[in-house]
Amino acid sequence: DAGVIQSPRHEVTEMGQEVTLRCKPISGHNSLFWYRQTMMRGLELLIYFNNNVPIDDSGMPEDRFSAKMPNASFSTLKIQPSEPRDSAVYFCASNLGLATQYFGPGTRLTVL
Amino acid sequence: EDKVVQSPLSLVVHEGDTVTLNCSYEVTNFRSLLWYKQEKKAPTFLFMLTSSGIEKKSGRLSSILDKKELFSILNITATQTGDSAIYLCAVENTGNQFYFGTGTSLTVIP
Repeated sequence: DAGVIQSPRHEVTEMGQEVTLRCKPISGHNSLFWYRQTMMRGLELLIYFNNNVPIDDSGMPEDRFSAKMPNASFSTLKIQPSEPRDSAVYFCASNLGLATQYFGPGTRLTVL
Repeated sequence: EDKVVQSPLSLVVHEGDTVTLNCSYEVTNFRSLLWYKQEKKAPTFLFMLTSSGIEKKSGRLSSILDKKELFSILNITATQTGDSAIYLCAVENTGNQFYFGTGTSLTVIP
């Protein structure tokens, strides 16, 4: 029984490059969440989708960040251009209705 | 297989009670254990534990880690209705991979 799958696990890139993070939610879940975790700010909600539709993207830092969910089994979070302050662990989580969210293992992004 | 298990799954208590939430883990190359409180959408960070036997405390909440027995507990004393939430435990390994438990749902009744 696979949980939430994220890729890559680690990403090291140079400032200015485009970064794409990927997430496969648990089959049957209808909500998907993207979070960013840093030691300074803790866990921040960036955006969440319900039935593939973005519901709340007020946490997206700025226009450099964009997220898509083309179907129920796949979502991407893109940063273009990336900056050193984007370095963080990015989590994807999914759930069904109001149930507990299931978190993926995270992608650690380092922007040099 | 690396995993984090939380217990109980849910708990209902009265205001003023003390509760203990458990988190056990089997994660190779342990780095840290984190506790979060989730009320609505985004979990809020409570504690990060890396060393055994050192209690971390914040108001009525406290937590301790036992790296020998591979578990942590989160204590909440004199519970209030505002403590009602899902409490998540996560373990990070040295490869920066996180393993989350499924959470304990706490309901505090007035």
